[in-house]
Amino acid sequence: EVRLVESGGGLVEPGGSLRLACVASGFSFSTSQMNWVRQTPGKGLEWVSSISWSSSFKSYADSVKGRLTISRDNSKNSVSLHMYGLRVEDSGLYFCAKDESTSQLGPEYFHHWGQGTLVTVSS
Amino acid sequence: EIVLTQSPATLSLSPGERATLSCRASQSVGTFLAWYQQRPGQAPRLLIFDASTRATGIPARFSGSGSGTDFTLTINSLEPEDFAVYYCQQRTNWPPWVSFGPGTKVDVK
Repeated sequence: EVRLVESGGGLVEPGGSLRLACVASGFSFSTSQMNWVRQTPGKGLEWVSSISWSSSFKSYADSVKGRLTISRDNSKNSVSLHMYGLRVEDSGLYFCAKDESTSQLGPEYFHHWGQGTLVTVSS
Repeated sequence: EIVLTQSPATLSLSPGERATLSCRASQSVGTFLAWYQQRPGQAPRLLIFDASTRATGIPARFSGSGSGTDFTLTINSLEPEDFAVYYCQQRTNWPPWVSFGPGTKVDVK
């Protein structure tokens, strides 16, 4: 059974930083493209970032480019999202999601999701 | 930027009825479209991808159709667990990007 467990969310002030993590099990993590998708009150569901199995290809939504960095550790079956310069509009539920992409050149469809970790940006 | 619109915003039906949900893209996405179901307090679940392919474990009462800019999700004979919010999602190869529609809520009449 595919399992994705996110952690690292919390309350942070505007301009602050946060690191989200997702630990995966139940599938071949080292050959899978991984993604972060968020759900916010303002924009609904929004894709945030993707990383290929080898980390050679990373992509970001324009709204977060330059402020978020995605990375992965295949030895630990984990993917991380480092968030900097956080804004109020970044508040929301952040999901880790696995797709079945064979091209590994960006997001396709999100076949499996974690339960999410909540990020609140507020002073 | 491809914008997805969904209609209606809310669909009120009774168990056993058929639900027909619409998703329209601001420009052609070919058949690069998916549908997700989200129940309260849960993560979205992939139902349909590539416009008409059911994801693993999805019951046959869910079907998708369409291409280009107009897509439909049909749920034949609604079960109690089908009352939820449904989102469509498109993807583009280059630049790599996806976007979601605002959702259609299917609730009990």
